[in-house]
Amino acid sequence: AQKVTQAQTEISVVEKEDVTLDCVYETRDTTYYLFWYKQPPSGELVFLIRRNSFDEQNEISGRYSWNFQKSTSSFNFTITASQVVDSAVYFCALISSGTYKYIFGTGTRLKVLA
Amino acid sequence: GAVVSQHPSWVICKSGTSVKIECRSLDFQATTMFWYRQFPKQSLMLMATSNEGSKATYEQGVEKDKFLINHASLTLSTLTVTSAHPEDSSFYICSALGRTLTEAFFGQGTRLTVV
Repeated sequence: AQKVTQAQTEISVVEKEDVTLDCVYETRDTTYYLFWYKQPPSGELVFLIRRNSFDEQNEISGRYSWNFQKSTSSFNFTITASQVVDSAVYFCALISSGTYKYIFGTGTRLKVLA
Repeated sequence: GAVVSQHPSWVICKSGTSVKIECRSLDFQATTMFWYRQFPKQSLMLMATSNEGSKATYEQGVEKDKFLINHASLTLSTLTVTSAHPEDSSFYICSALGRTLTEAFFGQGTRLTVV
């Protein structure tokens, strides 16, 4: 069975603090893709990153960085120097090659306080 | 990236009526479309998968007679909520997958409120 676990339901930080959102996944497939999406109050999903199972390189994009570790089945997301505009719900998701059905985690609500 | 347009963005309907939500792939042909439902403060749950020209495949627990899905063309899929009730109030979001795409792209979502 496939599963994505985001253990942190809600996180509050003060602006400029760093924050890490955890994501742990389960799959028996050898080829799969992991994603992070941001969902602001408007509801639409904003794509942040995609990572395939064969690429364990960490990635940095501006204030965002991702740490993919197959050994622990984790794909954590760090926001450096958080800003109020980062406040949203963040979803980690998994799809297996061939099905393209997204399995979403339960989401982490991030509140960045000014 | 590929663009998926969903319409309407929000809709309010009376209990007992039906409402149709459209999902269009604007710059690619979507061989497969997915429909998700998200209740407040919850995650997105897959409702059904539709392939162009075929009947939709529904996930367990989703009533196929209540949530009618049509995928008649490679650029359009529709979800019709029939005889809507207040418990159907939710955020509905579609995603579309093309032949050459390695991920599905999401529409903007439709917030349905049944009063």
